[in-house]
Amino acid sequence: DAGVIQSPRHEVTEMGQEVTLRCKPISGHDYLFWYRQTMMRGLELLIYFNNNVPIDDSGMPEDRFSAKMPNASFSTLKIQPSEPRDSAVYFCASSLPTGGSYNEQFFGPGTRLTVL
Amino acid sequence: GEDVEQSLFLSVREGDSSVINCTYTDSSSTYLYWYKQEPGAGLQLLTYIFSNMDMKQDQRLTVLLNKKDKHLSLRIADTQTGDSAIYFCAESIGNAGNMLTFGGGTRLMVKP
Repeated sequence: DAGVIQSPRHEVTEMGQEVTLRCKPISGHDYLFWYRQTMMRGLELLIYFNNNVPIDDSGMPEDRFSAKMPNASFSTLKIQPSEPRDSAVYFCASSLPTGGSYNEQFFGPGTRLTVL
Repeated sequence: GEDVEQSLFLSVREGDSSVINCTYTDSSSTYLYWYKQEPGAGLQLLTYIFSNMDMKQDQRLTVLLNKKDKHLSLRIADTQTGDSAIYFCAESIGNAGNMLTFGGGTRLMVKP
């Protein structure tokens, strides 16, 4: 398996533009997570899905952020309009369902977003 | 609520042992994990320990868990320059689905 795939790996955009980040989870993984990593705030969970359904989006910073999972093999995180404070590395991770709470999450390589 | 804390930075010399510490607050943690993040990459699971264990050893890695003090540590023996990375501890809780709560990460620098 190729692992979790994210695109693009790097994105530079101007303030006010729409940004779409993409993720393909590992086949068979029912859970998908979006994280944001910055120097100031560390690793933050933004939202996660189970079987394509959003379960917890309490980490989404504001209405400018939205995430979708139209099918089991694809998810997007959209920022509209983008702001310089959104500059960060965005990670997608996926995991198998577990009954006993052991949970290895497999991370993608991340998308480094710079908003000018 | 859950809170996982780590020191920010650790510097050691090549060949020495490294000890990275973590404290957590949720006593219902079922598994605790150590993830490693190399430069420019995502996090990767390094090792984990079930909450009813005190210690787990895996080659150069030793994980110690003190449930009473809610303290987790990762010891890396014979630290190599390739061990330079950010190390995150994380916990999962039985009724929280597949969520993990991560600490802020400890940046380990290994000097030759």
